[in-house]
Amino acid sequence: GAGVSQSPRYKVAKRGQDVALRCDPISGHVSLFWYQQALGQGPEFLTYFQNEAQLDKSGLPSDRFFAERPEGSVSTLKIQRTQQEDSAVYLCASSFIEEGGETQYFGPGTRLLVL
Amino acid sequence: AQSVTQLGSHVSVSEGALVLLRCNYSSSVPPYLFWYVQYPNQGLQLLLKYTSAATLVKGINGFEAEFKKSETSFHLTKPSAHMSDAAEYFCAVRGSARQLTFGSGTQLTVLP
Repeated sequence: GAGVSQSPRYKVAKRGQDVALRCDPISGHVSLFWYQQALGQGPEFLTYFQNEAQLDKSGLPSDRFFAERPEGSVSTLKIQRTQQEDSAVYLCASSFIEEGGETQYFGPGTRLLVL
Repeated sequence: AQSVTQLGSHVSVSEGALVLLRCNYSSSVPPYLFWYVQYPNQGLQLLLKYTSAATLVKGINGFEAEFKKSETSFHLTKPSAHMSDAAEYFCAVRGSARQLTFGSGTQLTVLP
């Protein structure tokens, strides 16, 4: 079946612009996670949802970052007043509980460049 | 709290040689451990995972990893490297929280 999809794949923004990044999880996956991957680093957790409920947003770096999943499927990560330090790849993952535990399946990411 | 340390940000091996990528973790609870591979401009693909069923875990593409609790390690190995194995590899741990904590990654280069 189809995997996790993300759009756009690439986004260039001028400093101060707002951006919205979309994630379409695997159908039926209840949990959805957002990670930020800076150049040359491992992904770092931002936030996660179970259905439409945002259960943990402890990784969001500032109040300029906002995520939603209103119908428990598609999720949007919004960054307001972008700054150069927001430049990174934003990865979305969805998961379900299977034999042997929970596995997160990742999308291809959105590469954000803030000029 | 949990953390992952990957020793060696860059590893080079010859084609056909043994691949060994090191991962040490810390976790306050029995961990779930994962290895992911990332090809350029792509997302993360799961190679294998440890969930306490067996200490030696076999994954895709001939990779395997052994969980050693006494050493808090979960090193990734492959007996014979192939050119297509060139990529970045990430070790990750999940403890009491739902999210994954990743290491900083190891870039594997395979020399002809």
